[in-house]
Amino acid sequence: DVAMTQSPESLAVSLGERATIRCKSSQSVLSGSVNKNCLAWYQQKPGQPPKLIIYWASTRESGVPDRFSGSGSGTDFTLTISSLQAEDVAVYYCQQYDRSPTFGQGTKLEIK
Amino acid sequence: EVQLLASGGDLVQPGGSLRLSCAASGFTFSAYAMSWVRQAPGKGLEWVSTFSNDDRAYYADSVKGRFTIFRDISENTLHLQMNSLRAEDTAVYFCAKDRGIGTAGTLFGHWGQGTLVTVSS
Repeated sequence: DVAMTQSPESLAVSLGERATIRCKSSQSVLSGSVNKNCLAWYQQKPGQPPKLIIYWASTRESGVPDRFSGSGSGTDFTLTISSLQAEDVAVYYCQQYDRSPTFGQGTKLEIK
Repeated sequence: EVQLLASGGDLVQPGGSLRLSCAASGFTFSAYAMSWVRQAPGKGLEWVSTFSNDDRAYYADSVKGRFTIFRDISENTLHLQMNSLRAEDTAVYFCAKDRGIGTAGTLFGHWGQGTLVTVSS
């Protein structure tokens, strides 16, 4: 299985400031068949199911605010929230879908 | 609008069985892979099983041989038959629809609310 490791486990950021979450995979998730990184980010608010926000490492899902961006390739990826809003408080998970799917352990994002 | 309504969660004894269901609407059910993803209390997400749009079933090693995924196209419903349940199967089970962009069916574009399975004596 491809192991996904996120850092940090928790993060407190002031409103309007930048939040950065990292995700590292134990193997490359670059798909040879489509030449794209099979890496997604999900946002999960308390009591709710996860919501897909980024796929192909950097493609924003429809309706997701442009303050959310994804970057990276191969084994190292980053989710950035450029200007934190109160409604962004959540746990964020990365997931690879190149092989049998696996998730990172989650990063809890709070307001400082 | 895509809607996924999971049901069937309950308290069951170790070694027991349970069947989960996920009623789907708002899309062409047969055209998309569907999956179950679980979340133990206070923990992260774990993929459980996927039923592809070409009728293949895939399982996590932790449930292989104990769980069976299948679908009823006539009822637009996904099922998960869970046998030989263990305490470590305790979790909220979410059903999820593939995003449908040519991946292997494991990019989860829509999620249902989930149903709680508790395995305890």
